[in-house]
Amino acid sequence: AQKITQTQPGMFVQEKEAVTLDCTYDTSDQSYGLFWYKQPSSGEMIFLIYQGSYDEQNATEGRYSLNFQKARKSANLVISASQLGDSAMYFCAMVDSGGGADGLTFGKGTHLIIQP
Amino acid sequence: NAGVTQTPKFRVLKTGQSMTLLCAQDMNHEYMYWYRQDPGMGLRLIHYSVGEGTTAKGEVPDGYNVSRLKKQNFLLGLESAAPSQTSVYFCASSYSSGGAYYEQYFGPGTRLTVT
Repeated sequence: AQKITQTQPGMFVQEKEAVTLDCTYDTSDQSYGLFWYKQPSSGEMIFLIYQGSYDEQNATEGRYSLNFQKARKSANLVISASQLGDSAMYFCAMVDSGGGADGLTFGKGTHLIIQP
Repeated sequence: NAGVTQTPKFRVLKTGQSMTLLCAQDMNHEYMYWYRQDPGMGLRLIHYSVGEGTTAKGEVPDGYNVSRLKKQNFLLGLESAAPSQTSVYFCASSYSSGGAYYEQYFGPGTRLTVT
């Protein structure tokens, strides 16, 4: 069964607008971690933000925030005031067992293009 | 700190050839991972290691072997390469958890083509 679902293969957004990238997950574990990574066209994987299943507050890192809705099993990434440099692939990922030792399960990604 | 490094960056193999991809990290991380990324897909876990001398299978382990003889190095081997193994390979490492989850630090990737 697919554990991470990203339903937006591609998105076009005007510069300076806010962006929401959708992510839903599936797990029966009570303890899990959710991550977002950015992959620019150069190919490297850049960590953006983390949310733990027991965290009561939504995670924030600069212009990035994670809209965590536990009951709906969603972990959407919000980018405020988008910039041209935000154009990239964005991956939602989860770890739900082994304290992280088992590795991340990734979604298929969303290709975000910021237009001037 | 170099972080996570991978060698080589690019490689072209003929079907049936073998090769080893080397991953090295200088952050004293316990956990190390190998992923592959195919077009239109997220990363998929091949093998992982929770410490020196230990390895385990991930989601797509067939056709690959790994070894972790030193804490800082994690090797991925292809004994008999197949065109289906054409992919970009990423190595990653992270702290051990003690019940918490930590982000993984990724290497720059190795682009492998098998003809």
